[in-house]
Amino acid sequence: KNEVEQSPQNLTAQEGEFITINCSYSVGISALHWLQQHPGGGIVSLFMLSSGKKKHGRLIATINIQEKHSSLHITASHPRDSAVYICAVRPDYGQNFVFGPGTRLSVLP
Amino acid sequence: NAGVTQTPKFRILKIGQSMTLQCAQDMNHNYMYWYRQDPGMGLKLIYYSVGAGITDKGEVPNGYNVSRSTTEDFPLRLELAAPSQTSVYFCASSYGLKAYEQYFGPGTRLTVT
Repeated sequence: KNEVEQSPQNLTAQEGEFITINCSYSVGISALHWLQQHPGGGIVSLFMLSSGKKKHGRLIATINIQEKHSSLHITASHPRDSAVYICAVRPDYGQNFVFGPGTRLSVLP
Repeated sequence: NAGVTQTPKFRILKIGQSMTLQCAQDMNHNYMYWYRQDPGMGLKLIYYSVGAGITDKGEVPNGYNVSRSTTEDFPLRLELAAPSQTSVYFCASSYGLKAYEQYFGPGTRLTVT
């Protein structure tokens, strides 16, 4: 079993839809990182979370430490949101991130 | 700031050749990382460094070497390239650990044939 799992693996949505991407992990963590990988390959940081909820523009990230689960929400989705969204956790036992396999999102106009 | 830069963007190697992937950051970050990304898989840590002169192995270090002579630069050396090293390589940096986010370079797509 992978330490970090994401669902769904692939997601296709229509422009304007509300999108949720899920991340589950199996170890205690000190931080969780959401990243976006553009179709061209570049990776950018979206959020770093250790508790609660963060919002930036149309993106919202939540984390439930007890349930070992985080969600990334996109409101009013747009074709430019099409990308791979990656969840990474920093386990309590180590100092480096463990990455999930990513969720590929396609938003159709 | 240029952030994290990587060269080259693309490279094709023959089996047994060697090469160095360059990585530099201008954010005065202490921590630097090398990852590889294989299709359908999460990023895997190859090596990391917590400061100049200090490096350590990650999850998949075999076939690679690194050095960190300055805060800015963290080159990754491939000796005796093998087809299993065909991958996309990302360099990243962060100011610290724990709650500090990582900043990624644009990646190097390497093919070994």
